Amino acid sequence: KAGVTQTPRYLIKTRGQQVTLSCSPISGHRSVSWYQQTPGQGLQFLFEYFSETQRNKGNFPGRFSGRQFSNSRSEMNVSTLELGDSALYLCASSLYGASGGYTFGSGTRLTVV
Amino acid sequence: AQSVAQPEDQVNVAEGNPLTVKCTYSVSGNPYLFWYVQYPNRGLQFLLKYITGDNLVKGSYGFEAEFNKSQTSFHLKKPSALVSDSALYFCAVREVNAGNMLTFGGGTRLMVKP
Repeated sequence: KAGVTQTPRYLIKTRGQQVTLSCSPISGHRSVSWYQQTPGQGLQFLFEYFSETQRNKGNFPGRFSGRQFSNSRSEMNVSTLELGDSALYLCASSLYGASGGYTFGSGTRLTVV
Repeated sequence: AQSVAQPEDQVNVAEGNPLTVKCTYSVSGNPYLFWYVQYPNRGLQFLLKYITGDNLVKGSYGFEAEFNKSQTSFHLKKPSALVSDSALYFCAVREVNAGNMLTFGGGTRLMVKP
């Protein structure tokens, strides 16, 4: 079956702009989580959505937001981009409540200039 | 709060030798534990997980890990390293009944030399 699909793969934005990243989970997976990966901070949890509801949120400013649609696809949005937002953004899908089975996408590499 | 420590930034091993990548964790309750591998400019690939049961978990590509509750460790091992195993390895923990949030260690770069 198809894996987790993230689009776009690469993105270059200017400070102050906003950006929207997309994630399509594995068919049947209803939970989508987002992570930010940077060389300095490593992998950090952003938020998790299940059935269009945000279940958990990490310690990120309100400029970071997300949503999930009825088909389980998810988007995350970052407004007023800062240079420090440059990172690899990873999406993971899973069966909520399952004891594992996190599948990650290949990520979106965001560069803020 | 849950946390993971990977004490070694880099592990060097010769091809054909056994390898160990260390991981210790801290959770309030029972843990689910995971190992992932990342190749350059790629996402995370699942290697193995510990949920319950046998403390020795076997995973993909010949990797295995041993869950040690008393030492709160979950070290990744492989009997014979391959050059193609060179990559970045992440240990992660999720506390049971605490949602789907994974907490990752800082990662360990494994370098296997011919």
